[in-house]
Amino acid sequence: SQTIHQWPATLVQPVGSPLSLECTVEGTSNPNLYWYRQAAGRGLQLLFYSVGIGQISSEVPQNLSASRPQDRQFILSSKKLLLSDSGFYLCACGTGGVNEKLFFGSGTQLSVL
Amino acid sequence: GEDVEQSLFLSVREGDSSVINCTYTDSSSTYLYWYKQEPGAGLQLLTYIFSNMDMKQDQRLTVLLNKKDKHLSLRIADTQTGDSAIYFCAEMASGTYKYIFGTGTRLKVLA
Repeated sequence: SQTIHQWPATLVQPVGSPLSLECTVEGTSNPNLYWYRQAAGRGLQLLFYSVGIGQISSEVPQNLSASRPQDRQFILSSKKLLLSDSGFYLCACGTGGVNEKLFFGSGTQLSVL
Repeated sequence: GEDVEQSLFLSVREGDSSVINCTYTDSSSTYLYWYKQEPGAGLQLLTYIFSNMDMKQDQRLTVLLNKKDKHLSLRIADTQTGDSAIYFCAEMASGTYKYIFGTGTRLKVLA
């Protein structure tokens, strides 16, 4: 079964600083990969998803970007963080195929001050 | 549009049954899912139901699906304090790999 590694667990960054969150997946190949953001006390907002290397779909306009340099690596970045970027960021992996299921990493709590 | 709606809070007494409800919009979703999130953690897949089923039972969990009304529910029998968490329903938008999540229902179990 797949394992999703996401780090760091918590991060405090000043406004205007860059961001790089990394997610790697083990135990599966050619997964669909996702970045979600969860604002405090709210539901999940899909930010990006990828069905293959170099293929990124962006769901909402924002100052974040995503990249997939390898099959099982998904990176969330920003050149300059905003206060509104604070939240709980979750990486997820879809098993693909007919019996598609989504599995989540443990999340990164980002606080932008 | 793509909206999955849930009530925000539910409080039950330990040992009672909990019923968490969800309405979704995409009638062609193949699978519908229930996830559990404990504080500060990622989401854990609890169960899922194929769209051609009306009901699925898995130990203390029962999922009911009413496709006509686009209504999904999760029943937890003999609710325990360890069941306190946020529960999300989700659907996969047809023709895509996009999962759309509800707002989450915070279940509080009183001892």
